[in-house]
Amino acid sequence: AQSVTQLGSHVSVSEGALVLLRCNYSSSVPPYLFWYVQYPNQGLQLLLKYTSAATLVKGINGFEAEFKKSETSFHLTKPSAHMSDAAEYFCAVSEGSASKIIFGSGTRLSIRP
Amino acid sequence: EAGVTQSPTHLIKTRGQQATLRCSPISGHTSVYWYQQALGLGLQFLLWYDEGEERNRGNFPPRFSGRQFPNYSSELNVNALELEDSALYLCASSPLGQGSYNEQFFGPGTRLTVL
Repeated sequence: AQSVTQLGSHVSVSEGALVLLRCNYSSSVPPYLFWYVQYPNQGLQLLLKYTSAATLVKGINGFEAEFKKSETSFHLTKPSAHMSDAAEYFCAVSEGSASKIIFGSGTRLSIRP
Repeated sequence: EAGVTQSPTHLIKTRGQQATLRCSPISGHTSVYWYQQALGLGLQFLLWYDEGEERNRGNFPPRFSGRQFPNYSSELNVNALELEDSALYLCASSPLGQGSYNEQFFGPGTRLTVL
């Protein structure tokens, strides 16, 4: 069975600081991995996805994530945080053919001025 | 290109009533997925419809049901509402039914409140 663990339900960083949101996955088959962002009172927006191509994936808004099979991790990073990055971030995994996505519990990112 | 749309935005019902939520996928997408985002429970997969058929179901009781119409829009029905059904219900659509990866595009959600 697939699962996703997000370490830290709440992360707070200063504006301009590095953003690091941690995600570890479990999958019996090569996974497809996603990061979604949810702004208050809105649906989910795809930030980036890993689909077995390049292990370093670049997404929108300056975010990127690196797939590390040996560590079963897919951490999300951004070099310099902006106030507009404050939101809830979800890591997710899919086996592809199963066509359902399993989400992590989410990490709320706060940005300090 | 229009995104996934959901209606209504908010829905208030009382315990025991039935709720109907609607979703229109992105044009050309044949798969529709429903997720429940309840406070403290995270995002949980509810149902997946593709080409009018139910393809997969999450761990929810039978009073959660739905259907997909020939135009690929979908309804989620929740019968005999309970207080714990209060949640944000998200619909997503995908251009792929099976195979490969399935990038899902999400709607804004319907906030269901059960009193």
